[in-house]
Amino acid sequence: KQEVTQIPAALSVPEGENLVLNCSFTDSAIYNLQWFRQDPGKGLTSLLLIQSSQREQTSGRLNASLDKSSGRSTLYIAASQPGDSATYLCAVSGPTGGYQKVTFGTGTKLQVIP
Amino acid sequence: DTAVSQTPKYLVTQMGNDKSIKCEQNLGHDTMYWYKQDSKKFLKIMFSYNNKELIINETVPNRFSPKSPDKAHLNLHINSLELGDSAVYFCASSPGLAGGGEQFFGPGTRLTVL
Repeated sequence: KQEVTQIPAALSVPEGENLVLNCSFTDSAIYNLQWFRQDPGKGLTSLLLIQSSQREQTSGRLNASLDKSSGRSTLYIAASQPGDSATYLCAVSGPTGGYQKVTFGTGTKLQVIP
Repeated sequence: DTAVSQTPKYLVTQMGNDKSIKCEQNLGHDTMYWYKQDSKKFLKIMFSYNNKELIINETVPNRFSPKSPDKAHLNLHINSLELGDSAVYFCASSPGLAGGGEQFFGPGTRLTVL
């Protein structure tokens, strides 16, 4: 059974800092890993999707890496801004009965202080 | 254009009532999902449908009955609502039958059972 953990659970940083969010998973047999952002009272916004054959993906100030063998992914946010404040979720997609099942992590709540 | 839409956005009802939540996606995806996000913000999959066929049922009480009239719609009907059903319910879709599909989420339905 896949288990996904995110550390830290909460993070507060001053504006402008670079930061790293961590995601670990127990079963390395995955299809892909997806990072989401959730603002309070809102839905999930997809940030980056890394396929199992890829090592990293970049979008603007965001860079996500994947080390499937060790069961880890990191989301790097460069030059953080107050608008980055949100909860960040990683979701691991893996096989179950020939289909895709997604398991979410516990989330990291980020606060960027102006 | 809204990719994945849900109605209603908010639902407040009395214990014991029956209610439905509707979901529609206009992305042409084959697979749709229902997730429950509890008060601790943990997201857990409930159901997954592929081309109107149920493929994942995560030990959800049988008071919850999903229905997919076509592959663009996946509705969730809940009978005899209980206090513990209060949560935010998210619908999502992805293109893949198996593996590699990026998930797109709806805005969520906040259900409050009094």
